[in-house]
Amino acid sequence: GAVVSQHPSRVICKSGTSVKIECRSLDFQATTMFWYRQFPKQSLMLMATSNEGSKATYEQGVEKDKFLINHASLTLSTLTVTSAHPEDSSFYICSANMGQGDNEQYFGPGTRLTVT
Amino acid sequence: DAKTTQPPSMDCAEGRAANLPCNHSTISGNEYVYWYRQIHSQGPQYIIHGLKNNETNEMASLIITEDRKSSTLILPHATLRDTAVYYCIVRVAGGNQGGKLIFGQGTELSVKP
Repeated sequence: GAVVSQHPSRVICKSGTSVKIECRSLDFQATTMFWYRQFPKQSLMLMATSNEGSKATYEQGVEKDKFLINHASLTLSTLTVTSAHPEDSSFYICSANMGQGDNEQYFGPGTRLTVT
Repeated sequence: DAKTTQPPSMDCAEGRAANLPCNHSTISGNEYVYWYRQIHSQGPQYIIHGLKNNETNEMASLIITEDRKSSTLILPHATLRDTAVYYCIVRVAGGNQGGKLIFGQGTELSVKP
């Protein structure tokens, strides 16, 4: 089956620093990737949709200058949390689509970010 | 906003069938019903999806009512490893954004020995 990986799985950073999270589709080309955030005891919240070679589309209320998304190739998307603060501590999850049509999204295992 | 309504929690005895309901009364004709589950601290896992016909795969069965306003996910023989939060999502397949998923609160299924 299609596999999506994320790196790192856990990261602890200091307030004010930036952290980059990678999302890779290992055995397929992902024309579209999605980034979600999940706080404890809550559901997943879609942050942005990223298409290879174009700018990401952010959901309402998500700051594009704070959460930088780069989808430079068909197998890699990155999310950079800039100037992180403790309230950015969360579980970040990516997913990938092979393309258009009736297909499911494949999710990565998630990245636990803790900002101290 | 999520377009589905699910009970917040359910219990099921190990080995018995788990029937998880979902209401999606405002579903459009081109929207599919998708089910995902999330085991604690992991990424969601695809289970099954359907448009209007009932569907079955190795994991589960999906029963969609004739008017498509509700559906039921059936795990035929629940095991302890099926303990997870189950999400019912309606989604337009394809399109420029590849059919983004909007998650509701889901149903927390606890399978008990």
